[in-house]
Amino acid sequence: KAGVTQTPRYLIKTRGQQVTLSCSPISGHRSVSWYQQTPGQGLQFLFEYFSETQRNKGNFPGRFSGRQFSNSRSEMNVSTLELGDSALYLCASRRTSTDTQYFGPGTRLTVL
Amino acid sequence: QQQVKQSPQSLIVQKGGISIINCAYENTAFDYFPWYQQFPGKGPALLIAIRPDVSEKKEGRFTISFNKSAKQFSLHIMDSQPGDSATYFCAASIGDSSYKLIFGSGTRLLVRP
Repeated sequence: KAGVTQTPRYLIKTRGQQVTLSCSPISGHRSVSWYQQTPGQGLQFLFEYFSETQRNKGNFPGRFSGRQFSNSRSEMNVSTLELGDSALYLCASRRTSTDTQYFGPGTRLTVL
Repeated sequence: QQQVKQSPQSLIVQKGGISIINCAYENTAFDYFPWYQQFPGKGPALLIAIRPDVSEKKEGRFTISFNKSAKQFSLHIMDSQPGDSATYFCAASIGDSSYKLIFGSGTRLLVRP
């Protein structure tokens, strides 16, 4: 069974640009969560989608947004990039009948 | 109150030794406590998880000890191996929101041969 896949794996952007990251969950998993990982703040919850609806959002500015498609694939978007947005962005999927989240390898975003 | 405090920040253990990582929380509403292992360039992977209705859970060389009254839980890695060298994260979540994990700050474990 294929794991969670994230594309692209690496991105370099400049301040002010916007970026879209993609996540394909494990087949049959309808819940997709996004996390930001930085050396300073650690792993922080961004938001979660289930059945194309955002159910919960972490403490991040409105520049961070996401969506989920009918096939459970999810995208997250960051607009007006800031240097502090440089991070590893992780996607995790979960079968709703269980607690276990399965993480993808992440997208490494560098903002110059 | 949403924090999970993890210690130590780094840990060096000899091969065959026991690695112990500790976490503490304040929010008594937390009821799901997983531990994740992360290797460089990879996403975190679930190692073992516990709910407050048990005080200990063992899976192979990995054991979670849970102290509800002290609001603490710990990961014990028995017979530590060089392949266990990784960063370990404790986490916690509430009720039906197990998709929203609150992570500890991580412990970098190095197991020397």
